Amino acid sequence: RKEVEQDPGPFNVPEGATVAFNCTYSNSASQSFFWYRQDCRKEPKLLMSVYSSGNEDGRFTAQLNRASQYISLLIRDSKLSDSATYLCVALYNFNKFYFGSGTKLNVKP
Amino acid sequence: GAVVSQHPSRVICKSGTSVKIECRSLDFQATTMFWYRQFPKQSLMLMATSNEGSKATYEQGVEKDKFLINHASLTLSTLTVTSAHPEDSSFYICSAKGPLSTGELFFGEGSRLTVL
Repeated sequence: RKEVEQDPGPFNVPEGATVAFNCTYSNSASQSFFWYRQDCRKEPKLLMSVYSSGNEDGRFTAQLNRASQYISLLIRDSKLSDSATYLCVALYNFNKFYFGSGTKLNVKP
Repeated sequence: GAVVSQHPSRVICKSGTSVKIECRSLDFQATTMFWYRQFPKQSLMLMATSNEGSKATYEQGVEKDKFLINHASLTLSTLTVTSAHPEDSSFYICSAKGPLSTGELFFGEGSRLTVL
């Protein structure tokens, strides 16, 4: 079983739609969680950290459910530029990062 | 955010040659850096954890004699692909934990290696 699991997608949504991704993790001792965005043939870039209380950054909202061991990312009012692969990451033992395989999002006009 | 720079961004080499990739943390000190490999349409695969002043820790299945890692300073780690073969062609990415206690990873721009 993978440490972090994501639905690979692709999620094909029209501009302006709201889309949500979930990610589950297996190690209950994981300390921190992040969402990264990766464009084709580019390096991953930090989108946002995920806090226990949930956090919002503009159109993006991240939530953590420790009881069920999942993380979510909600994107509101999707833009064409949001098209990318979104990686879920769990940090364990301060130095061990587990990456999900990524969820591909295609926002269409 | 913290800046990690990787060089070269692209390299093409002949089979049997060695290629060195550099990863630098530009505005912070990184005692630990990570090296990943990514094949097309696949996820990042951790190859090794590079620790300043000590030997790298390799993931299972990664040949340490094939992928030499040196982390001689707090701002520089290098990955050398020795005697490269076409199957080593891939996207190699380094990362470092940022200076904040929240532990975000910051990635270099990646190096696309093509072995002919």
